[in-house]
Parts: sequence; C-alpha cells; structure tokens
Amino acid sequence: GIQVEQSPPDLILQEGANSTLRCNFSDSVNNLQWFHQNPWGQLINLFYIPSGTKQNGRLSATTVATERYSLLYISSSQTTDSGVYFCAVGSGGSYIPTFGRGTSLIVHP
Amino acid sequence: GAVVSQHPSRVICKSGTSVKIECRSLDFQATTMFWYRQFPKQSLMLMATSNEGSKATYEQGVEKDKFLINHASLTLSTLTVTSAHPEDSSFYICSAVTGSPRQPQHFGDGTRLSIL
Repeated sequence: GIQVEQSPPDLILQEGANSTLRCNFSDSVNNLQWFHQNPWGQLINLFYIPSGTKQNGRLSATTVATERYSLLYISSSQTTDSGVYFCAVGSGGSYIPTFGRGTSLIVHP
Repeated sequence: GAVVSQHPSRVICKSGTSVKIECRSLDFQATTMFWYRQFPKQSLMLMATSNEGSKATYEQGVEKDKFLINHASLTLSTLTVTSAHPEDSSFYICSAVTGSPRQPQHFGDGTRLSIL
C-alpha cells in the first residue's frame, strides 16, 4: 500500500515563530487531509488538499501531487497550535485513508 | 456542516464489561464510517471499515468477535467492545465519509476507554 512519511517527527518553537511541516507519499493520491490533534485528542480538520494551495488564517497548505508531497505552513505560531499534526492520504478508488506518524509540535510562550 | 458526534467521550468500567460506542453523522449521510484505535504517542490505527447495511471489513489482526461493528443506518455506526479487558484500554475514534473517495473524512471527538 501507499507509504506516508511526515517530517520532522518533533518540533519545538517559541511563540511567534514560523514552521513548515512536510508529508511525503509514495504513490499518486486522490485525497489528502491535514489534521491537528489537540491535547484532548480531538482531531481538527485543517485542510482537504489533494492538490493546489489553500490558506486559512495563519495556516496554509500546498500539495504538489506530481512530486508526491504536501507542506503545511504555520505562521506566527501560538501556544494553542501545540499538538500533533497528521497527514492522511487516500489513493486509487479506495476510501481507506493512510495516516502518517504525525509531527508533534510544542509552542512555548 | 459535516459534524460527527461520538458518544460517550469517556468510559471507565470493570474488566469483563461490554462497552458500546456510538458514532453519528448529524447533518449528512455517511456511506462509510471508519473506526480507529490510538495508543499514546502513536498514530491512528484503522480497525475496521463500516458500510451501511453490510458487514464491516476488519483490518488484519483485529478480532471481529471482540470488536463488534454495526452500521444500521446512514447516520449511525456502533462499536461494541465485548468483555473488555485492561489491554483494550485505548482511545477510539470514528470518522465518516459520504459520496466518493474524493471527499474529506469527518472525525468524532473520540472515546477514551479505561478498563480497570
């Protein structure tokens, strides 16, 4: 099946810093989502982005499907951005998503 | 829109108890629902795929007699952990999709199950 790799695995930032999280995948995808799992375990859907670029406030994401990667940008990070960021992809005709291992982000005040 | 409600959010019970977790799509019809299990500091592990009106498809290594899944309607799927033991303690999360595979998943808030 498709392989999903996320980097870096861990990231520690000072409040106000910018960061880029990466998701590489091994095959063509028809479905890609970025999620933020907060410290209470809730999964927040950030972007549905199988291709192209989207922005939502301080967050933006770009997926270059032909080169098999997606990037999540966090600007002016805040302590509430702490948590784990997951990338999940789907390929072919399958509904079944494959999750990466996540990037654990800690933002210090 | 696209809200998925998962209930209960937390369960603490004695070993041997069976626990039912509900996953409801509140404002859309979910043709497919997924059940995941997550251990501390790990990614989500897919347990089973549930399609309305048919038997669930379980991932390798997941005991179907232990984890009973029912998807009786387009808005409700249930996961029952039968005769739960401490090793079943975990965070369980459901998600729902509608239409084609080119649609986003919508997640419930998860259920933290603790078996004493």
